[in-house]
Amino acid sequence: AQRVTQPEKLLSVFKGAPVELKCNYSYSGSPELFWYVQYSRQRLQLLLRHISRESIKGFTADLNKGETSFHLKKPFAQEEDSAMYYCALSDGGQGAQKLVFGQGTRLTINP
Amino acid sequence: DTGVSQDPRHKITKRGQNVTFRCDPISEHNRLYWYRQTLGQGPEFLTYFQNEAQLEKSRLLSDRFSAERPKGSFSTLEIQRTEQGDSAMYLCASTLFPRSRVGNEQFFGPGTRLTVL
Repeated sequence: AQRVTQPEKLLSVFKGAPVELKCNYSYSGSPELFWYVQYSRQRLQLLLRHISRESIKGFTADLNKGETSFHLKKPFAQEEDSAMYYCALSDGGQGAQKLVFGQGTRLTINP
Repeated sequence: DTGVSQDPRHKITKRGQNVTFRCDPISEHNRLYWYRQTLGQGPEFLTYFQNEAQLEKSRLLSDRFSAERPKGSFSTLEIQRTEQGDSAMYLCASTLFPRSRVGNEQFFGPGTRLTVL
């Protein structure tokens, strides 16, 4: 069964410190992995996807198929990074491509 | 087009009443998804449409739930005989399939928060 696990419900770091939000997945195929973010009073929006191999707002995430992980990292946290972060996967083929989400991690950046 | 819109944003109802939510996707998107999010959890898939065809329903979607997308544009989600356990945020998302040039990104609406008293 498809499953996404985010082990930390809450994560608090100081401004300027490194951030790592953990995500592990279970999927018997070739998944597409995503990180979605929800800032206060805003809608859920895509932060980045593994196939793009891009850095958005200083965040990166590397898909590790051996460890079935897709951790989100940023070397120097900023206060505006405070938000709810969701890791999600979808099937990479021609199917429904519905998203399976983790339970989310609330990131708080302290000044 | 300012993105996916949902109406109403908030709905308070009494147990046993019927409610209907509307979602307007991004105009060129042919796929429309419904998700439900309860407190402290990530969104969970309910159902999706490709154009007007409903192609998959989650086991979460009991027979009290029905969704339509009659003309392949907006969609409605109806809950009959609401129960307190139906209280949640109902999210709609849309995308273009096959992939658009930006890939398989789903664009989410602001959600409808349902409270069943």
